[in-house]
Amino acid sequence: QVQLKQSGPGLVQPSQSLSITCTVSGFSLTSYGVHWVRQSPGKGLEWLGVIWSGGSTDYNAAFISRLSISKDNSKSQVFFKMNSLQADDTAIYYCARNSDDYPYWGQGTLVTVSA
Amino acid sequence: DVVMTQTPLSLPVSLGDQASISCRSSQSLVHSNGNTYLHWYLQKPGQSPKLLIYKVSNRFSGVPDRFSGSGSGTDFTLKISRVEAEDLGVYFCSQSTHVFTFGSGTKLEIK
Repeated sequence: QVQLKQSGPGLVQPSQSLSITCTVSGFSLTSYGVHWVRQSPGKGLEWLGVIWSGGSTDYNAAFISRLSISKDNSKSQVFFKMNSLQADDTAIYYCARNSDDYPYWGQGTLVTVSA
Repeated sequence: DVVMTQTPLSLPVSLGDQASISCRSSQSLVHSNGNTYLHWYLQKPGQSPKLLIYKVSNRFSGVPDRFSGSGSGTDFTLKISRVEAEDLGVYFCSQSTHVFTFGSGTKLEIK
C-alpha cells in the first residue's frame, strides 16, 4: 500500500536550515510527484512546493528563495531543505502525494525553531 | 494561486443539530481529467487532519453516513446531518486540482 514516512529533526536553531526526508513505498517516484505542506498556528495549512515525477520542481513564491526539494528515485526518497529558519517557521511539516482519488500523507514532522 | 474561502469560521451547534460548512474556490476545481479534487478533513486537538470526504462527495473508509459533501465548480458544501460529540473539531476544505490549497478552517463547537 502507499506509504510516506518522514524523518528529520524536531528542533532547529534560528537561522539554521531544516532537512526532512520522505521515504515512500507502494509507488515509484518516477510516476508521481511529492508535495510538501506545513501547518502552523499562525498561518494554517500552506503548500510549500512539489517535485514532479520527472524531477522538475515548483515552489510557493513566498519560500522560493530558501526552499529546495530534490529526490533519489532509486532509494524512493524525497529531500526537503529550508534555509534561514525563524520562529514563525515552527510548524508540522508533511509530505504528500496525490492520486486519482485522494492525497496520501506522511505522518508529519513537528519542527520547533528555538535556541 | 487558488484561494479557498471557507465559512463560517466558527459554528456553534447543539448535539443532534444539522451543520453546514461552505467552501468556495477562486477558480474552478475541475481537473483536465474531469475529476474535481475537493476534499474535506476534520482535525481534533493534537492530531493531524483526518480525511472525511474526497472528490466532493465520496466518504472515506469508516466515515459515518451522517457526513455528506456536495457542490461543483467553485462552490462546495459539507453537511453533518446529526452532530455528535465526536464530530467536534476543526473542519478544513482542501483542493488538489491545482497543487494544494486549504481553507482556513471551521471550528465546530457546542452551543
